[in-house]
This record gives sequence, structure tokens and C-alpha cells, in this order.
Amino acid sequence: GEDVEQSLFLSVREGDSSVINCTYTDSSSTYLYWYKQEPGAGLQLLTYIFSNMDMKQDQRLTVLLNKKDKHLSLRIADTQTGDSAIYFCAEVPQGGYNKLIFGAGTRLAVHP
Amino acid sequence: GAGVSQSPSNKVTEKGKDVELRCDPISGHTALYWYRQSLGQGLEFLIYFQGNSAPDKSGLPSDRFSAERTGGSVSTLTIQRTQQEDSAVYLCASSVPGLAPYEQYFGPGTRLTVT
Repeated sequence: GEDVEQSLFLSVREGDSSVINCTYTDSSSTYLYWYKQEPGAGLQLLTYIFSNMDMKQDQRLTVLLNKKDKHLSLRIADTQTGDSAIYFCAEVPQGGYNKLIFGAGTRLAVHP
Repeated sequence: GAGVSQSPSNKVTEKGKDVELRCDPISGHTALYWYRQSLGQGLEFLIYFQGNSAPDKSGLPSDRFSAERTGGSVSTLTIQRTQQEDSAVYLCASSVPGLAPYEQYFGPGTRLTVT
């Protein structure tokens, strides 16, 4: 079946790296996404990775994909207070481009 | 340009009443989605519209939920005889179908509270 799991909460000190983990079950997923939700706002696409890649870097963000273990991670370098938000992992099942399967979201709290 | 807008931003209703939630997608986006975000839960897919095709209603939790999309643009999600378990944030998203990486653009949501 389709299921995406993530830990619910992460607390880091400002300036440290944050690593948010996600596991998914659909091995045929073509794209995997990280969405960010700031308080009172909708979700915004932060980054994504295509299933034939194992790493993608975008400024302070690094996405790692381990297809064998169906594990996705998001690393935020030099975490800032503005990074405090809920981060959702999501997958698009093969042929299922009409809907995303989301995890429950990881709330990232950044403290001084 | 304007993003996805939703109204109202907050809605408090009594159990048993009907509610209508509205979504205005980004102009030119032919695909429109409704999701529900309950406290501590991920986003739950409800329904998907694409152009003139029959909508994918596979995520609607009960027959009290319905949605329509008029003129291929604005969509209304209707919940009849609301129950307390319907309390959640209802998110609308739109996209250009077939355009990788299939990014969905989300509105700010409508927070529904059923008392």
C-alpha cells in the first residue's frame, strides 16, 4: 500500500544542521518531494528529487534518496530561525500524477 | 502573479450544518486538488479535477462530502451535515498537468471548526 512516514518533531540549535527523515513504501514512485509549511500558510514546494537520482543539492538543502531502503532525507545546513516550519515528505506513485501521498509532517523548531 | 486563494480562511459551524469552501486556482492551471489536514496527520487527498474529465473522487471520506468545479476554474467543496470529526484545515492546490516535476501550488487553506 501507499504510506509515507516521518518523525513528528525535531529541535535544533541555530547554526547547526537539521536532518529530517522519511520512509515510503511505493518503490515505483517517480518523484519524491519536500514541502514546507510555515505557520498560517499553505504548503510550498521546497525541493524534489527524481527517482533515478540519489542526491540533489540546492544551496543549503541536500536531499538524499536511498531507493533500496525507500528512505528519503532532507538536510538543512546552517539552520536559521526562519527555517522553523513543518516539513512534509511526499511521493507520487507511478501513474498517480493526480495526487500526492504525504507524510504527517516533521515540525522543525530552531532555538538560539 | 496571484497564487491559489481560498475562502473563508476560517469557518466555525455547528454540528449538523452544511458548509461550502471555495478555491480559486492559479489562472491557467487545469488541475485542481482538495486535501484535508487534520491535527497531527498528514495531508489526506480528497478529490482531483482535470479539465473536463470526470473527477477522481476516491479520497472523499463519505457521501456528505462533494465538490464541483465550474467553468474549469473555481471549485467549491461542500460538506453536508457537518460532524466534529470534519474539523480540519482544508487545502486546495492547482497545477499544470503533465509538466514535470508535477508541482502542486497550495492555497493558505480554510480552517473548519465544527462545534
